[in-house]
Amino acid sequence: TQLLEQSPQFLSIQEGENLTVYCNSSSVFSSLQWYRQEPGEGPVLLVTVVTGGEVKKLKRLTFQFGDARKDSSLHITAAQPGDTGLYLCAGASTGTASKLTFGTGTRLQVTL
Amino acid sequence: DADVTQTPRNRITKTGKRIMLECSQTKGHDRMYWYRQDPGLGLRLIYYSFDVKDINKGEISDGYSVSRQAQAKFSLSLESAIPNQTALYFCATSDGYGDIQYFGAGTRLSVL
Repeated sequence: TQLLEQSPQFLSIQEGENLTVYCNSSSVFSSLQWYRQEPGEGPVLLVTVVTGGEVKKLKRLTFQFGDARKDSSLHITAAQPGDTGLYLCAGASTGTASKLTFGTGTRLQVTL
Repeated sequence: DADVTQTPRNRITKTGKRIMLECSQTKGHDRMYWYRQDPGLGLRLIYYSFDVKDINKGEISDGYSVSRQAQAKFSLSLESAIPNQTALYFCATSDGYGDIQYFGAGTRLSVL
């Protein structure tokens, strides 16, 4: 069974601070996705990274896929209360036909 | 209206009862999935279906069954609910492109 470990599990910061969330595995993935889930809702896709070493930016969010395609990170610059939520990474493997392995999740709270 | 609709949104039941959770989608996707979410464990796949005649077990299928009544409908049943099935349940769909999945808002199930 493939495992995706996320760290930290919980993060509480003040508005304006920077943070990084990590997603690690011993398995290689063909692509890796990041989702954000808000209370009472399902996860919503933020980004997909496909190429080892790839970096994608989405406004204040920067996503990186590790060179070996086993890990990823999400960096948020100048966090805002609207960034509060549960962040989930999910890996797709070649040959598993649209099956995703989800990470354990990082719950982020940003306060004023 | 939501593209992926789950009913009910909340359900409280007793041990031993049969429960059905329903999912319908208007996205026209062939692939549908059922997950359960527990704190600290992320999302775990229960069952998935790639078309009406295709049903596959996920990593935690014991105690659950599914029915794909139509392309747009995928229901999850707990034949005899037990307390450790208390969780948040999500339905998701995919068109298979880029492994992206689209989630419903979830059903919160409590088994007493």
